[in-house]
Amino acid sequence: DAGVTQSPTHLIKTRGQQVTLRCSPKSGHDTVSWYQQALGQGPQFIFQYYEEEERQRGNFPDRFSGHQFPNYSSELNVNALLLGDSALYLCASSLPGPGVNTQYFGPGTRLTVL
Amino acid sequence: AQRVTQPEKLLSVFKGAPVELKCNYSYSGSPELFWYVQYSRQRLQLLLRHISRESIKGFTADLNKGETSFHLKKPFAQEEDSAMYYCALTPSNTGKLIFGQGTTLQVKP
Repeated sequence: DAGVTQSPTHLIKTRGQQVTLRCSPKSGHDTVSWYQQALGQGPQFIFQYYEEEERQRGNFPDRFSGHQFPNYSSELNVNALLLGDSALYLCASSLPGPGVNTQYFGPGTRLTVL
Repeated sequence: AQRVTQPEKLLSVFKGAPVELKCNYSYSGSPELFWYVQYSRQRLQLLLRHISRESIKGFTADLNKGETSFHLKKPFAQEEDSAMYYCALTPSNTGKLIFGQGTTLQVKP
């Protein structure tokens, strides 16, 4: 099991553009969470997907949207990119079931907005 | 407000010295608390969670509800402990992690 995988590794966009980041969860996991990590900061929760629906959302504008597919993989879309969106975007997956389950993180996608 | 504070950006110790990485949280309910670690060129990974009451790689952390703290401790630091450490909490009935800003631990030979 390769664990959580993310693509692409790096991405450079210009202001106003749109971007799609992808995540494949760890085998057996059905819940996917996305985080934004700015330089020198801890990760910030964007949203979480379970059963193809957004279940939790952090304090991010509607420009940030997502999707989960039937195979549990997920996409993060960011529209109208701003310079401040430059960050490392982390995906994490966790097991199904009640309670708080350990989240396993991917390597991240480094997004640079010029 | 739900918040995790790690007051030290950098902690530098010599090999064999005790280590304490501080973490304070702000949350009115009963949180789940975690320590995550990121070694150089590796992904973020769970080190320990308070409900497990485990000792991982010699690290322990005790939840002090009175002081709203969850400090990470190790009696004798090793060079391989050098990494970035993040304290995080999950509010009740949510799946999200709220992270602190992280502390870089540097263990000198």
